[in-house]
Amino acid sequence: NAGVMQNPRHLVRRRGQEARLRCSPMKGHSHVYWYRQLPEEGLKFMVYLQKENIIDESGMPKERFSAEFPKEGPSILRIQQVVRGDSAAYFCASSSTVGGVSYEQYFGPGTRLTVT
Amino acid sequence: GEDVEQSLFLSVREGDSSVINCTYTDSSSTYLYWYKQEPGAGLQLLTYIFSNMDMKQDQRLTVLLNKKDKHLSLRIADTQTGDSAIYFCAESSGANNLFFGTGTRLTVIP
Repeated sequence: NAGVMQNPRHLVRRRGQEARLRCSPMKGHSHVYWYRQLPEEGLKFMVYLQKENIIDESGMPKERFSAEFPKEGPSILRIQQVVRGDSAAYFCASSSTVGGVSYEQYFGPGTRLTVT
Repeated sequence: GEDVEQSLFLSVREGDSSVINCTYTDSSSTYLYWYKQEPGAGLQLLTYIFSNMDMKQDQRLTVLLNKKDKHLSLRIADTQTGDSAIYFCAESSGANNLFFGTGTRLTVIP
C-alpha cells in the first residue's frame, strides 16, 4: 500500500512565479492536510480538505495561497507570486475517519520550495 | 492559542534510555502524538495517546501523560544510532489539525 505521495520533492522558483505542489493521499484516505515547515521550526497547519471541500483554512495566508482537492486527482497547493519568505518544506498528510474523527495523520516526504 | 514546547537538543549514549519531554497549553487537547523526522524526510507517526490515558507502551517506546501538568514524555529504551532524528510532539483537540512543537533533535553517541 503506497504511502502519501508528494511531487515534486524539490521545487525552485524565482520571485513572482507560481508554485504548484501536489499531494496524493494514501489509498482509502479522503482527508488531506497541508502543513508548512520553516527552517529549524515545527510544522504549522495550513489547510484541511476533503474531496471537493475546504473544511478548515484557518492557517492559510489570506493572499496568494490556495488549495483544492478535486473529485479526481491529487490535492494541489498553489502559491502565486512567490516571495523569498515562502521558501520552506511543505508537507501533506492524509487520514481516514473512524466514527467521524481522524486520529492518525500520515505524512508525505514533503516538497522543499526554494524561492530565488 | 495552542502552544507546544520542547527542548531543542538531547544527546544520549547508545544503549541508554532517552526521555524527550513536551509541554502543551491547550486544556482541551484530546490526542497527543509523537512523530519522528529523519534528515530530508517526512514525518513518521510513532505513537499517540488519548487524553484519558496515563501511559502507553509500544515495544521500546513508552509514552507518559500528566494531564494535570499538561506534560507529555516519550521514553526510548535501549537507544540505537538509528534513533537519531528530530522528534516532534503534537496535540489535537479533535479539530483535525495538529499543533506541533519545535522538535527535539536526538543525537545518539556510539
